Amino acid sequence: DGGITQSPKYLFRKEGQNVTLSCEQNLNHDAMYWYRQDPGQGLRLIYYSQIVNDFQKGDIAEGYSVSREKKESFPLTVTSAQKNPTAFYLCASSMAGGNSPLHFGNGTRLTVT
Amino acid sequence: EDQVTQSPEALRLQEGESSSLNCSYTVSGLRGLFWYRQDPGKGPEFLFTLYSAGEEKEKERLKATLTKKESFLHITAPKPEDSATYLCAVQGDFSGNTPLVFGKGTRLSVIA
Repeated sequence: DGGITQSPKYLFRKEGQNVTLSCEQNLNHDAMYWYRQDPGQGLRLIYYSQIVNDFQKGDIAEGYSVSREKKESFPLTVTSAQKNPTAFYLCASSMAGGNSPLHFGNGTRLTVT
Repeated sequence: EDQVTQSPEALRLQEGESSSLNCSYTVSGLRGLFWYRQDPGKGPEFLFTLYSAGEEKEKERLKATLTKKESFLHITAPKPEDSATYLCAVQGDFSGNTPLVFGKGTRLSVIA
């Protein structure tokens, strides 16, 4: 079955360490997205990519970095510069061209202490 | 700037008690309005896309409607398994693949 796989489901890190969250899709979608979800705040866009080797900052990109070397993969690195990294991170993908719904993975819960 | 406001923040219903969730939006040229369901600890699950005012879509006990300023998600005779957070999102701007802007969601609890 086609879908989006995020790994790991839970991730624990010490403050000051960079950490990379994995996102893989086999839906043959061109566009991929990273959102952050905090209690009471809804989903906020971190980065998105419409094609391979190209990506754009979202509303809260500071302290994060991404790469898009393959169509299927869009890893997110949470750097030590991110002041409040503890959150639920959601990866999504969609077909190109607009009007297409996002398909989400089941998220990674990152805890930084 | 595109904005989405959902109300109420939380809703508690008895099983069988019908109600509606509201999604108010401001957007420069609506390309689509999307409804999602999210269970705790999981990613949102796509429910509906609405494209123009007057459009309606149904799925089981859920019916989504759209006007020029807001969308409603009507829940008829809900069951406990309908308990979840319901998210509304809009895509505006007719240039390019603009990312969706989400509301904060309505947390629905259906009590048996």
